[in-house]
Amino acid sequence: QQQVRQSPQSLTVWEGETAILNCSYENSAFDYFPWYQQFPGEGPALLISILSVSNKKEDGRFTIFFNKREKKLSLHIADSQPGDSATYFCAASGTGNTRKLIFGLGTTLQVQP
Amino acid sequence: GPKVLQIPSHQIIDMGQMVTLNCDPVSNHLYFYWYKQILGQQMEFLVNFYNGKVMEKSKLFKDQFSVERPDGSYFTLKIQPTALEDSAVYFCASSLAGVQNTLYFGAGTRLSVL
Repeated sequence: QQQVRQSPQSLTVWEGETAILNCSYENSAFDYFPWYQQFPGEGPALLISILSVSNKKEDGRFTIFFNKREKKLSLHIADSQPGDSATYFCAASGTGNTRKLIFGLGTTLQVQP
Repeated sequence: GPKVLQIPSHQIIDMGQMVTLNCDPVSNHLYFYWYKQILGQQMEFLVNFYNGKVMEKSKLFKDQFSVERPDGSYFTLKIQPTALEDSAVYFCASSLAGVQNTLYFGAGTRLSVL
């Protein structure tokens, strides 16, 4: 079963709008949640991340909102630009000896000019 | 930013043959990872490697898979023998410290097993 779920699978917004990408997880031991951005033909690149002790993390136009009780988080991309068109992966990892990131299936974002 | 290079970008091989995927990680990084992505599906963790040893591996890391980093050079994933279901894009990543440090990914090697 998928430990990290993302929705929607694909999303189209107009330039200037706010895109909202959703993520949920199963394992309460997860405490680190990075979002990776991937362009076609490239590897994923870290965009922004949050630890479970916080409920919000902001970096420029990108904001993560985190709800630990509901095991949900979302990535908000404000003032979306055509250059933001990419696939966005939500990932999670836990404390302890594990050093692996669990990825969701991704959301493909298209920003129309 | 720091770059992880993967060579080759695409490899076509006959089922049953051996293949080695090469990764040139970020020079001062200490942790190395392989992920597998089948088209339309999620990136699945295969293995991580630190200080010359496999730290953790998933069920996808079959007995036919092996990893090494001889002489601190390329970090390699070897599959011997290959099977049809090994066809996927394989991503290498490296990080300076543990997973809560940034993982830097390569562009992937697309492996096609015929």
